[in-house]
Amino acid sequence: DAKTTQPPSMDCAEGRAANLPCNHSTISGNEYVYWYRQIHSQGPQYIIHGLKNNETNEMASLIITEDRKSSTLILPHATLRDTAVYYCIVRAKTGANNLFFGTGTRLTVIP
Amino acid sequence: NAGVTQTPKFQVLKTGQSMTLQCAQDMNHEYMSWYRQDPGMGLRLIHYSVGAGITDQGEVPNGYNVSRSTTEDFPLRLLSAAPSQTSVYFCASSSQSEGRDTQYFGPGTRLTVL
Repeated sequence: DAKTTQPPSMDCAEGRAANLPCNHSTISGNEYVYWYRQIHSQGPQYIIHGLKNNETNEMASLIITEDRKSSTLILPHATLRDTAVYYCIVRAKTGANNLFFGTGTRLTVIP
Repeated sequence: NAGVTQTPKFQVLKTGQSMTLQCAQDMNHEYMSWYRQDPGMGLRLIHYSVGAGITDQGEVPNGYNVSRSTTEDFPLRLLSAAPSQTSVYFCASSSQSEGRDTQYFGPGTRLTVL
């Protein structure tokens, strides 16, 4: 699985868009970008994933650069309940059996 | 759907005791796994199963046993608890159709071994 780099922490004002970056410059052609989050004391929660094209679901949008070396998770209108650690994971669908979560970005939504 | 459920939520054991952490899912997922999460260590895979009757070891299997007699249940057994097994344990499941990497996690079991 490709290595990812995320900022350790970010703040976002409530109601504003939260843009969480992830660098994955060694990503291979068959590797997907996955985002999970973990709210304090809870199990990780799947958010979204993509390969090349931008993706959107009811939780977030994922923007992947054309060279696929970086991506941004966008929470369009952050709420206090979005305060969590966000993990960017890059892996092939035929990769190892475990998801490697790394240290992620701790997002704090400020009222 | 209840999703992935885990029991108990909290457990305190003495060194040498054995116990079983329960995990169940009602989504008919083929793939189930157990992770442990220690402070500053991220999640580490203990055991996983790709279907009923099939289990395999993950990254940190020592001291743990699993079985998968049904699609729904995937219990994790601690054979002889040690303080190093103090951790938060998460069970996860995923489906073939959605992809193995879209995993749904349970709420966790917080285990303390004295």
